Amino acid sequence: SQQGEEDPQALSIQEGENATMNCSYKTSINNLQWYRQNSGRGLVHLILIRSNEREKHSGRLRVTLDTSKKSSSLLITASRAADTASYFCAIRNTPLVFGKGTRLSVIA
Amino acid sequence: EAGVAQSPRYKIIEKRQSVAFWCNPISGHATLYWYQQILGQGPKLLIQFQNNGVVDDSQLPKDRFSAERLKGVDSTLKIQPAKLEDSAVYLCASSPETNTEAFFGQGTRLTVV
Repeated sequence: SQQGEEDPQALSIQEGENATMNCSYKTSINNLQWYRQNSGRGLVHLILIRSNEREKHSGRLRVTLDTSKKSSSLLITASRAADTASYFCAIRNTPLVFGKGTRLSVIA
Repeated sequence: EAGVAQSPRYKIIEKRQSVAFWCNPISGHATLYWYQQILGQGPKLLIQFQNNGVVDDSQLPKDRFSAERLKGVDSTLKIQPAKLEDSAVYLCASSPETNTEAFFGQGTRLTVV
């Protein structure tokens, strides 16, 4: 399968804590992307990391990519209640294929 | 910059009826995608266009689903006849090029009864 698999499936943390979610995949990739989906809303792109990059930052987000292990992680620091959402990794080879997502709940 | 527009937002039909969804991508975006998202699952790619050509439609149930992108701009996705298991949100997305990020519309929520 081309899709990534996120882990854990669900995560519940307190506001202010860090949240880490992982994505594993099986194919070669051009890039890997992370998206967020709030309840009842559309998907929003968060960050893109290319296959020749190892780490990327955007605000409170930090993404790492290990192509030798075919895995990526998304770290959200100092989480807020507004970060409550589903987070998906998407594998870019030719099509853009999404995983099943991690449901993050941030409790105030 | 206007985002990806989809219509309708909601649709309820009976099984065996037909339905069509419309998508207007961001101006200038060459790549257009249709995804099906069943409640609690990740988006499943149905079809990807590059301009008006099909890049990938391996997951499109071609016996009942069809999609077209005339003139490389707007796109329509049709289901005929619909089944109960087609109940889902249908998401359209576009990207400037094949390997860039995708911008999603709000989706069409289809309920088949």
